[in-house]
Amino acid sequence: KAGVTQTPRYLIKTRGQQVTLSCSPISGHRSVSWYQQTPGQGLQFLFEYFSETQRNKGNFPGRFSGRQFSNSRSEMNVSTLELGDSALYLCASRTSGGSGELFFGEGSRLTVL
Amino acid sequence: GQQLNQSPQSMFIQEGEDVSMNCTSSSIFNTWLWYKQDPGEGPVLLIALYKAGELTSNGRLTAQFGITRKDSFLNISASIPSDVGIYFCAGQTNSGYALNFGKGTSLLVTP
Repeated sequence: KAGVTQTPRYLIKTRGQQVTLSCSPISGHRSVSWYQQTPGQGLQFLFEYFSETQRNKGNFPGRFSGRQFSNSRSEMNVSTLELGDSALYLCASRTSGGSGELFFGEGSRLTVL
Repeated sequence: GQQLNQSPQSMFIQEGEDVSMNCTSSSIFNTWLWYKQDPGEGPVLLIALYKAGELTSNGRLTAQFGITRKDSFLNISASIPSDVGIYFCAGQTNSGYALNFGKGTSLLVTP
C-alpha cells in the first residue's frame, strides 16, 4: 500500500511569490491534514480537510490556504511568501473522520530567499 | 494549539542502554501518539494509545497512556544505533481533530 506522497520534495522561492504544494493520501483515507515544521516552533497544525471540506484550521494567516479534491488529494497554497515561511510542510492522512492514527508524508521543504 | 511539554530535550546514550522520555499537558487528551522522525523525512508512527492506563508495546518500544490522561511516556529498551532520531509525542483532545505535538526528544546512540 503506497504511503502519503508529497510533491515537490524541495523548492526554492523568493519573497512575494506564491507556492502550491500537493499531497496524495493513502488509498482509502479521506482525511488530509497539513502541518508546518520549523526548528523554532516545531510541528504546527495548518488545516484539515475531510470530504472536500475544511473541517479545522490552525492559527495561521489567510495567506495559507488549501483545498481537497473529490479523489481526496489535497493542495495547499501560500501566497506572498515571507522569509519566515521557510519550513518543512508535512501532509498527513487518516482513515476515520475525527480520530485515529495520522500517517505523514516525507514533506515538502520550502526555502524562501 | 496546545503545546505539550516533552522531556528530555535530548539524550546521548550508549548502545544497549534503555531510554525513557515523557510528555505532559495541562489538557486532557483522548489519544496519545508517538512518532519518530529521521533527518529529511516525515514522522513515522510508532505507537498509538487510546485508553487511560493503556500500556502498548511495539518491539523494543513501550508506551503508556497516563491515568490522568494528561501524560504519556515512551521507553526504548536495549537501544541500537538505528534508534537515532527525533521522537515526538502528540495528543488529541475530544474537541478537535488536530494533533498537538511536543517539541521532540533528540536521541543519539553511540556504538
